[in-house]
Amino acid sequence: TQLLEQSPQFLSIQEGENLTVYCNSSSVFSSLQWYRQEPGEGPVLLVTVVTGGEVKKLKRLTFQFGDARKDSSLHITAAQPGDTGLYLCAGPNNAGNMLTFGGGTRLMVKP
Amino acid sequence: DVKVTQSSRYLVKRTGEKVFLECVQDMDHENMFWYRQDPGLGLRLIYFSYDVKMKEKGDIPEGYSVSREKKERFSLILESASTNQTSMYLCASSLNRGLNYGYTFGSGTRLTVV
Repeated sequence: TQLLEQSPQFLSIQEGENLTVYCNSSSVFSSLQWYRQEPGEGPVLLVTVVTGGEVKKLKRLTFQFGDARKDSSLHITAAQPGDTGLYLCAGPNNAGNMLTFGGGTRLMVKP
Repeated sequence: DVKVTQSSRYLVKRTGEKVFLECVQDMDHENMFWYRQDPGLGLRLIYFSYDVKMKEKGDIPEGYSVSREKKERFSLILESASTNQTSMYLCASSLNRGLNYGYTFGSGTRLTVV
């Protein structure tokens, strides 16, 4: 069974701070995805990383896929209250027919 | 704008009632999924379907059934609702063999069983 562990589970910071959250596994994934879920809504796909070492940027969010394709990180620069939400990482299972989700990092950015 | 639509945002049902949660997608996706999301437990897969009239059990199918009579619609059925089925229910869809495109989720149904 492929497991994805996310850390930290909870993070509360002030507006303007930088932060990094992590998604780790002992298994190799063909790709990893990051989703953001705002309170009361479903998760929304932010990015997919496919190549080991790949870095993708989405405005103030930087996503990196580990060289060995076992881990990924999400760095947010100058966090804003609108970044508040649950961040989930996910990767295809061994059969390649569905996604395995991590437990998520719940981020709160205070004004 | 493509999307997954869940019929109810909030639902309150009594113990023992039969409950239907409806999900419709307009993207011609082959795959559809039902998850429940609980604090501290993350997303747990209940059932999924790769094709019309096809269904597979996920990690926690007990107490639930599903129906997929048309490609765009995937229904979750609670045969006899119990209080431990109070949860946020999320429907998702994806292209077959297109996991790099990710899942599209609905907005969720928050079900309370009293």
